[in-house]
Amino acid sequence: NAGVTQTPKFQVLKTGQSMTLQCAQDMNHEYMSWYRQDPGMGLRLIHYSVGAGITDQGEVPNGYNVSRSTTEDFPLRLLSAAPSQTSVYFCASSYRAGANTGELFFGEGSRLTVL
Amino acid sequence: AQSVTQPDIHITVSEGASLELRCNYSYGATPYLFWYVQSPGQGLQLLLKYFSGDTLVQGIKGFEAEFKRSQSSFNLRKPSVHWSDAAEYFCAVPHNNNDMRFGAGTRLTVKP
Repeated sequence: NAGVTQTPKFQVLKTGQSMTLQCAQDMNHEYMSWYRQDPGMGLRLIHYSVGAGITDQGEVPNGYNVSRSTTEDFPLRLLSAAPSQTSVYFCASSYRAGANTGELFFGEGSRLTVL
Repeated sequence: AQSVTQPDIHITVSEGASLELRCNYSYGATPYLFWYVQSPGQGLQLLLKYFSGDTLVQGIKGFEAEFKRSQSSFNLRKPSVHWSDAAEYFCAVPHNNNDMRFGAGTRLTVKP
């Protein structure tokens, strides 16, 4: 089983550039989300989706954009990269809408460096 | 707001020794509580979860956790640590229906 697949695993950007982190899941999960992980801060929610066509902001949404056109895919767009967005990004999904209903399944992460 | 605190940033134990990782939560009612593990270079994996009922919950890989309302704690334990348990461990609590709030994490080093 592929589970949650993220690409790319590593990316270096220059300040001001834009890019998209891809996330796909093959478990037919309703809920998908993006977290960023920074040292000493745990994981913080950027955006989430409870189904195709439905997205909402999390704790730290500024500078990021998302869309959910299909159940399987949930890309994260950085509109104009800043050094503060240097982080490890994780996509996570859950079989039901809602992060508190059970297990979150995580991808392996995408390490982004903004110079 | 619901939150969790992990007081220990880094813990080192010898292989075969017992382990206890601390987690304190801030929540008015009985919370849902989770422990996740992150192996190097990997995403997070659920170890165990507490919703209600028996305050001692069993998880995968021989881990268990005990919910103590009087201490606002949900500490993770393992009787005998293996070298493969070296990882980072995160306690988590739902902030609302769609936002899981994670602690800062505790990094576990296992000495041979």
